[in-house]
Amino acid sequence: DQQVKQNSPSLSVQEGRISILNCDYTNSMFDYFLWYKKYPAEGPTFLISISSIKDKNEDGRFTVFLNKSAKHLSLHIVPSQPGDSAVYFCAAIPPGNTPLVFGKGTRLSVIA
Amino acid sequence: EAQVTQNPRYLITVTGKKLTVTCSQNMNHEYMSWYRQDPGLGLRQIYYSMNVEVTDKGDVPEGYKVSRKEKRNFPLILESPSPNQTSLYFCASSRPRGGSYNEQFFGPGTRLTVL
Repeated sequence: DQQVKQNSPSLSVQEGRISILNCDYTNSMFDYFLWYKKYPAEGPTFLISISSIKDKNEDGRFTVFLNKSAKHLSLHIVPSQPGDSAVYFCAAIPPGNTPLVFGKGTRLSVIA
Repeated sequence: EAQVTQNPRYLITVTGKKLTVTCSQNMNHEYMSWYRQDPGLGLRQIYYSMNVEVTDKGDVPEGYKVSRKEKRNFPLILESPSPNQTSLYFCASSRPRGGSYNEQFFGPGTRLTVL
């Protein structure tokens, strides 16, 4: 039973436009959410996070929005650049000493 | 430089031949874990460790063993590898929980092929 779902396996966006990556979750007890970015032949790297008590967190071109009532979060990249082409994983932190829960990832392709 | 290292980066082996993938971190992190990444399945956790001598099963522990004798090292052991363990493996580490999020730092990955 997947607790964190990324329903779009892939997304293509034109350079300069906005990229929106979506993530849904089922466990209302998650208290932190993170986005990781992964290039081929490299390990995932942390991108941005958001606490469950907030609804938005911004870091440069990257903004994460959290809608707790809908159990939905999204990552916005504006403007998208070719170097943003990667697989993006959404992850959630349950309460207590339980491991991070990852989604299956969305492959973003930014076309020049 | 703060990092998580894994060795080997690539390995081709045969069914049944025991192997160990090493993982080491230099950030003094208490928490370490192993993941495998397979097409269409994302990152699935194999085992994790909250601290030295404390390990626990993740989502897909069958066919794997781990040990945590020292804080910095967390080797992944395949006693009798099988072809369904062909995958891309990542080790990760992070600070302990407790009031702040635990961003995990990942190693570069080990691509394992079991023939």
